[in-house]
Amino acid sequence: EIVMTQSPATLSVSPGERATLSCRASQSVSINLAWYQHKPGQSPRLLIYGASTRATGIPVRFSGSGSGTDFTLTISSLQSEDFAVYYCQQYNDWLTFGGGTKVEI
Amino acid sequence: VQLVESGGGLVQPGGSLRLSCTASGDSFSAYSMNWVRQAPGKGLEWLSFISSRSNVVYYADSVKGRFTVSRDHGKSSLFLQMDHLRAEDTAVYYCARAGGDYVTAFDMWGQGTVVTVSS
Repeated sequence: EIVMTQSPATLSVSPGERATLSCRASQSVSINLAWYQHKPGQSPRLLIYGASTRATGIPVRFSGSGSGTDFTLTISSLQSEDFAVYYCQQYNDWLTFGGGTKVEI
Repeated sequence: VQLVESGGGLVQPGGSLRLSCTASGDSFSAYSMNWVRQAPGKGLEWLSFISSRSNVVYYADSVKGRFTVSRDHGKSSLFLQMDHLRAEDTAVYYCARAGGDYVTAFDMWGQGTVVTVSS
């Protein structure tokens, strides 16, 4: 099983600041990597797939990069609605999620 | 176009429960489907995958041998039969659509149904 490790566990930022979230795979997943946003009481929402392709309707302030084992999700200028938990997911060898990064004020 | 789960509830340890996920619109027949859960205070955990024709199914080790996934195209529904339930199966259970008929990212999610395993 591929283990996905996200860091940091919690990221404290202010609105308007840049947020950088990391995800590392225990072995190469190529670019078969997705990012999701999850807010309390809501369903998760797909942000990024293929490591860097924004899903339909996702604002341009969200961007993804990386390949192989190291990936990054960047939120260029945090809006109030962006405070949430973010998960990476590999789908190169079945499916596994990372433990999540909580983005808080 | 949406997914709606049902069937959650309170069940005793060792008991069984069957979850359903009903799809509306053109959101079901051509796609693989998945079940994902989130235990209280924990992250997301993928549980199972089923291809559009049900010829490929796969389970996480944590539920293999206890949970069974199936689908009914006539009813546009996905199911998860959960047997031999344990306290650690307590969670919100989501169905999620893959972005194609293969293992890929999940582009649509249901709202979730709560399962509580307790005596």
